[in-house]
Amino acid sequence: EPEVTQTPSHQVTQMGQEVILRCVPISNHLYFYWYRQILGQKVEFLVSFYNNEISEKSEIFDDQFSVERPDGSNFTLKIRSTKLEDSAMYFCAVRGTGQETQYFGPGTRLLVL
Amino acid sequence: RKEVEQDPGPFNVPEGATVAFNCTYSNSASQSFFWYRQDCRKEPKLLMSVYSSGNEDGRFTAQLNRASQYISLLIRDSKLSDSATYLCVVIYGGEYGNKLVFGAGTILRVKS
Repeated sequence: EPEVTQTPSHQVTQMGQEVILRCVPISNHLYFYWYRQILGQKVEFLVSFYNNEISEKSEIFDDQFSVERPDGSNFTLKIRSTKLEDSAMYFCAVRGTGQETQYFGPGTRLLVL
Repeated sequence: RKEVEQDPGPFNVPEGATVAFNCTYSNSASQSFFWYRQDCRKEPKLLMSVYSSGNEDGRFTAQLNRASQYISLLIRDSKLSDSATYLCVVIYGGEYGNKLVFGAGTILRVKS
């Protein structure tokens, strides 16, 4: 099973601040995903990223959100101006070519005050 | 109608019991199906894929009924360590999307 790490594990920020969440897959992957889970709710898809561009995004993924792979390794999710309702667990997921199974990182718990 | 529906539970069962979870999905174009397991405040972890022919992995058996758009998971001889939330997951979308659509999960508590 491929390993994915995420940093930071926890982040507390003030409303309106920018945050960057990082995902580092241990193995080479082409497909990357971000999901979020608000406390007590289901896991929700945010965005998928393939070949260095967004392939699909949900309604949640508005202009406040962006993703990139700045160095060909790390995969980042940026929230430009955080809102209280952005408080959630953010999971990165990866999958290999020719596979459907997605493997999740341990998540970043974001708390917006 | 929710895309993926599950009974939230909780299912409280004694060790050694057999327990079954059900899941229905609304999109008939759904391509692939999975059960994930999620422990409290942890990431979802793949438990098993679900195939039309049914598949078994040790104490776990998954079934898919495409006609009824229904997925099931059977756990035999429950262990304390099986206590978790079980997530029914469906994929539909193109090759470059393949987003996972999650149910809200079914809580299982196995007690000694």
